[in-house]
Amino acid sequence: QSVLTQPPSVSGAPGQRVTISCTGSGSNIGAGYAVNWYRQLPGTAPKLLIYGNKNRPSGVPDRFSGSKSGTSASLAITGLQVEDEADYYCQSFDNMLTGEVFGGGTMLTVL
Amino acid sequence: QIPLKESGPTLVKPTQTLTLTCTFSGFSLTTIGVGVGWVRQPPGKALEWVALIYWDDDKRYSPSLKSRATITKDTSKNQVVLTVNNMDPVDTATYFCVRSQEHFITNFFDYWGQGVLVTVSS
Repeated sequence: QSVLTQPPSVSGAPGQRVTISCTGSGSNIGAGYAVNWYRQLPGTAPKLLIYGNKNRPSGVPDRFSGSKSGTSASLAITGLQVEDEADYYCQSFDNMLTGEVFGGGTMLTVL
Repeated sequence: QIPLKESGPTLVKPTQTLTLTCTFSGFSLTTIGVGVGWVRQPPGKALEWVALIYWDDDKRYSPSLKSRATITKDTSKNQVVLTVNNMDPVDTATYFCVRSQEHFITNFFDYWGQGVLVTVSS
C-alpha cells in the first residue's frame, strides 16, 4: 500500500491527452511538499520528468506538464506517442514518515 | 550526463548483510543541497525509497527498513555505501543509486544508476 495513490493504468490513442493523478494526504502533498514525476521504460532506470510540481528538466518536451492542488497532483501528457508507453511514478516527502515516498505507479498504454 | 554506478553482490543468503557501493562522477557530495541515496524496486512492483545521505552528512532512512540500513559516504572517492543487515527474501529488488537535489523543501532524484538486481535466497 503506497502512501501516494495513483491509478494502476491509463490509456490513450496517439495524439490524445492523458492525465495521471497522484493523491496524498496532509502529511505529504497537502503539507506543501512538492511532487516530482518519473517515467520508467521497460527494463530501464526511471528518468525525472517533472520536479517541484511543474518544472521540466532540460531535454523533457513541453508535452509533459505537472500541476498540484491541495492533497493531489497531476501529470498531463499531450500529443501522446507510442514511445510514451511506460510506467509513471509520483514522489514527494512525508513528514510523518520523515522520508521520501513514491506512488504505486501508473502503466500508460498507447492504443 | 552524470553517471552513477552500483556495485555489489547479486545474490545474498537470508540473514546475511548486503553491502552496495555507488560510485559517481561529475559532481561533488560536498555541494550544498546535493545528496546521494538508494531507491529499490522489487520485481514487478513499485519504487521504494531506501536511504539518503546529504552533503552535510545528514542521513535519512526509510522506516520500512527500521534500523537494518546504514548509509555512509567517502567524498574523496566519490562513493556512497549502503549496508542492510539481516537480509530477507522480501528485500529482493533492483537497487538504484540516485543523486538527490533540494528544491525548496523537497528532494528530487535527477540522476539514476542502471540498478543492480539483488536476490535474497538460500
